[in-house]
Amino acid sequence: KAGVTQTPRYLIKTRGQQVTLSCSPISGHRSVSWYQQTPGQGLQFLFEYFSETQRNKGNFPGRFSGRQFSNSRSEMNVSTLELGDSALYLCASSLEMVRGEQFFGPGTRLTVL
Amino acid sequence: AQSVAQPEDQVNVAEGNPLTVKCTYSVSGNPYLFWYVQYPNRGLQFLLKYITGDNLVKGSYGFEAEFNKSQTSFHLKKPSALVSDSALYFCAVRDNNAGNMLTFGGGTRLMVKP
Repeated sequence: KAGVTQTPRYLIKTRGQQVTLSCSPISGHRSVSWYQQTPGQGLQFLFEYFSETQRNKGNFPGRFSGRQFSNSRSEMNVSTLELGDSALYLCASSLEMVRGEQFFGPGTRLTVL
Repeated sequence: AQSVAQPEDQVNVAEGNPLTVKCTYSVSGNPYLFWYVQYPNRGLQFLLKYITGDNLVKGSYGFEAEFNKSQTSFHLKKPSALVSDSALYFCAVRDNNAGNMLTFGGGTRLMVKP
């Protein structure tokens, strides 16, 4: 089975722009979660989607949003980028809403200049 | 709110020696605990999990972890370290009432020297 894929792998944007990141979960997985990883704050939960519905949301401003499509693929969007948004964004998929371990993709490295 | 602490930023061990990476947690209710490993420029790789049952959990690549409820700890262990085990290790806890949301510790860098 193919693992979790994320596109693009690297992205450079300037302040004020917006960005969309994409995640394709493992085939059959219906839960997709997003995390932000930075040297200062570590790994922080952004949001989780299950069957196209947002189930949980972390403590991030409204500039961060996401969605999930009927094929379980997910996108996250960050509007009005700030320098502090520079991070590795990780997507994880899970077979079930609870109990299952999450499998992570390689991440998208976003640099905001 | 749940939390995870990894008290050591870095652990150094010689190849062939046993290794321990420490983790303590705080969560309401029964904990679901996980260990992940991250190699440079890669995502997180699942190592093992504790949901219920035996306190000693065996995982991938010869790693195991011991769940201790009274000490709220979930330390990662391996009997004999390899140089290739050098990586960043994360402990995580999941609240049963928050779907799949994981709360991670700050990570511990493991350095295995030949």
